[in-house]
Amino acid sequence: DTGVSQDPRHKITKRGQNVTFRCDPISEHNRLYWYRQTLGQGPEFLTYFQNEAQLEKSRLLSDRFSAERPKGSFSTLEIQRTEQGDSAMYLCASSLKGTATEKLFFGSGTQLSVL
Amino acid sequence: GENVEQHPSTLSVQEGDSAVIKCTYSDSASNYFPWYKQELGKRPQLIIDIRSNVGEKKDQRIAVTLNKTAKHFSLHITETQPEDSAVYFCAASMPDNDMRFGAGTRLTVKP
Repeated sequence: DTGVSQDPRHKITKRGQNVTFRCDPISEHNRLYWYRQTLGQGPEFLTYFQNEAQLEKSRLLSDRFSAERPKGSFSTLEIQRTEQGDSAMYLCASSLKGTATEKLFFGSGTQLSVL
Repeated sequence: GENVEQHPSTLSVQEGDSAVIKCTYSDSASNYFPWYKQELGKRPQLIIDIRSNVGEKKDQRIAVTLNKTAKHFSLHITETQPEDSAVYFCAASMPDNDMRFGAGTRLTVKP
């Protein structure tokens, strides 16, 4: 499979627990994005990386959220002390900077439910 | 940062009719405008995109138009079919920046 893959597909956790999601981008893509999507809304930008550098982080993003892309390949998104309001679909996308367009290719997402 | 507004939020058309979805953006530096289609339970998929140096682009039954002066762009779907039913998102991005999405339009094509 040469697309963007995310793991797990679903995560159910109790309030206060920490969760970590993984994203594997398309192999030659140097940009990786994390978005959050709730029902009936568009993807909301969280953060993005170019190679291993985190270039931008949404001001709306709580300090409980942290993302890494240590070797410029896969990325992890961690949410500490989860709250019910964190329940959402977390989407990862990748693109190749330097091409004629900045097409984003999305993964299938991780659906988080915080009880 | 960039702010993208999209309307209508829901759109219902009869099979064979045309559908138009409109978006506005706030930052004149934005230069890339894609449209994504998301079916229920699936990932967003790119269907068409346009750069700021082009006013219109067509791909079979879909087309996108861009008005840089007014900072708005539109998606046009002609001869709609039931399989066009989905949520459509517009987006805008600036060079070396992230991509911002509209809130989406739920299109229903009635057979």
